Amino acid sequence: DAGVTQSPTHLIKTRGQQVTLRCSPKSGHDTVSWYQQALGQGPQFIFQYYEEEERQRGNFPDRFSGHQFPNYSSELNVNALLLGDSALYLCASSLTGLVESPLHFGNGTRLTVT
Amino acid sequence: ILNVEQSPQSLHVQEGDSTNFTCSFPSSNFYALHWYRWETAKSPEALFVMTLNGDEKKKGRISATLNTKEGYSYLYIKGSQPEDSATYLCAFADYKLSFGAGTTVTVRA
Repeated sequence: DAGVTQSPTHLIKTRGQQVTLRCSPKSGHDTVSWYQQALGQGPQFIFQYYEEEERQRGNFPDRFSGHQFPNYSSELNVNALLLGDSALYLCASSLTGLVESPLHFGNGTRLTVT
Repeated sequence: ILNVEQSPQSLHVQEGDSTNFTCSFPSSNFYALHWYRWETAKSPEALFVMTLNGDEKKKGRISATLNTKEGYSYLYIKGSQPEDSATYLCAFADYKLSFGAGTTVTVRA
């Protein structure tokens, strides 16, 4: 049973560029959440997708957008990259997104913006 | 912005010793508290989800308690082993998870 998979594992981009990160949830999970982890901090909630719609959003600018596909996989898009967007981006899946449901995380995508 | 704080930031434990550390969170509008273990080069792994005041959860040598009225949770590791070396994250759950910065545990053989 495959867990959460993310691609790519590492990515280097230049300021101003756009990036797309991908996530496949754990089998049987229908909810995908994205988190950004900067150095020395805990993961910060970006947004959550359920039934192909953004259900909740954290305190991130509109440059951060996402999508969920009918097979529950998800993409995170970041436009007009800034140096401060350099971070580890974690995808997590759960069943229905209930707060009592533990998250299952992928290994993350390490984004470096130069 | 929810303030979830973990202390200490890091600790070193001798193999065989027991240890504990704290997660503090807002005591109002409590829904659930999550604990995750994050080993180097791996993904965070769920340890516990706690929902009731006074909850105690146990998984092997690791256990956790919850006090929702005063807004804290303790995680205990009994008889630490090198494989317990990891960063332990707690997260306060409302419509999302708000994570603390973690406690990094290093177990010395």
